[in-house]
Amino acid sequence: AQSVTQPDIHITVSEGASLELRCNYSYGATPYLFWYVQSPGQGLQLLLKYFSGDTLVQGIKGFEAEFKRSQSSFNLRKPSVHWSDAAEYFCAVGAGSQGNLIFGKGTKLSVKP
Amino acid sequence: NAGVMQNPRHLVRRRGQEARLRCSPMKGHSHVYWYRQLPEEGLKFMVYLQKENIIDESGMPKERFSAEFPKEGPSILRIQQVVRGDSAAYFCASSPATGTRSYNEQFFGPGTRLTVL
Repeated sequence: AQSVTQPDIHITVSEGASLELRCNYSYGATPYLFWYVQSPGQGLQLLLKYFSGDTLVQGIKGFEAEFKRSQSSFNLRKPSVHWSDAAEYFCAVGAGSQGNLIFGKGTKLSVKP
Repeated sequence: NAGVMQNPRHLVRRRGQEARLRCSPMKGHSHVYWYRQLPEEGLKFMVYLQKENIIDESGMPKERFSAEFPKEGPSILRIQQVVRGDSAAYFCASSPATGTRSYNEQFFGPGTRLTVL
């Protein structure tokens, strides 16, 4: 069955430090992969997506992610975190042609001064 | 271009009442998805609709839940005889028509937070 695992429930980083959020997926075919960010009480905003092609994907707000088929991973990275990046981050895989997304449980990011 | 709109943003119901959640997709989008987010959980797919058709309802509970997307007007997620376990955030997403070899990005609304007392 398709699934998405985000191993880290909560991560705290210092402002200006680098960030990597982990995501592993289980999916039989070539996956469509997404990272979303959710601020408290808000909806989800798409950060970036991978459909095909270059395995290093650039997104908004300075985020990037790398698709590694051999590791079934799609980790999210940012070289220098800002206090406004504090939010919850969700990795998702597109489940087939019907289009519904399967989400991980999320990683909550806290940023300390 | 307005984004996906959901209303109400917050809804309080007592056990046994009905909850109606509305979703207006982005202009030009004909596909609507509903997801539920329980506390400390990710979003779980519920149902996928196109205008006047339910395409995939594999994530919908078998009883008390229904969804529609009429030719005119918003998509409606209806929960009858609500119970405390229905308390959650319900998100709607929309996407444009799907091409034969494409996968379309979903745009999410702000959600409706349902509280059942």
